[in-house]
Amino acid sequence: NAGVTQTPKFQVLKTGQSMTLQCAQDMNHNSMYWYRQDPGMGLRLIYYSASEGTTDKGEVPNGYNVSRLNKREFSLRLESAAPSQTSVYFCASRAPLVGGGYTFGSGTRLTVV
Amino acid sequence: AQSVTQLGSHVSVSEGALVLLRCNYSSSVPPYLFWYVQYPNQGLQLLLKYTTGATLVKGINGFEAEFKKSETSFHLTKPSAHMSDAAEYFCAVSDGDNRLAFGKGNQVVVIP
Repeated sequence: NAGVTQTPKFQVLKTGQSMTLQCAQDMNHNSMYWYRQDPGMGLRLIYYSASEGTTDKGEVPNGYNVSRLNKREFSLRLESAAPSQTSVYFCASRAPLVGGGYTFGSGTRLTVV
Repeated sequence: AQSVTQLGSHVSVSEGALVLLRCNYSSSVPPYLFWYVQYPNQGLQLLLKYTTGATLVKGINGFEAEFKKSETSFHLTKPSAHMSDAAEYFCAVSDGDNRLAFGKGNQVVVIP
């Protein structure tokens, strides 16, 4: 099974360009998440979706939008990319059990020049 | 909101020596605690987790962690380091809502 699949794996954008990061999970999880990882900062939550049709802001939502297209897919959009958004982005989903573990995708490395 | 403190961004350990990574958390309710490992250019892999029950939790690759409520700690240990343990390790806490808060991570270097 694939688990959590993210596309693309690498992307270079120019400042002001837009793009959408795609994420899909095949584990029938309700909850899905977008994190960004920066050196020395750990992972910070951008947005999450507790269930299909709902989304909520995390710790660092500015400059991003999300769409929970269906139960499987949760996309992250950068409308006007900035160099400060250069980062590695991880999508995750969570098992519906109490204390359920999070499964992470392999990440998207985004560079904004 | 919950938070995690991991001290020492880089940890060097000799091959065969004890690995000890410290994690302290804050949470307003009984927490769920996790340790993740990240190898270079890869995603995060779950090492172990504490939800309820036994406070000493065993994970993969010989790692274990002990939940100490009185110390608000969840330190990760491995008795004998291997070269393959070189990676970044993250402690994380959840209070049962949909937010998993991560520490800043420990980069472990294993010295032959």
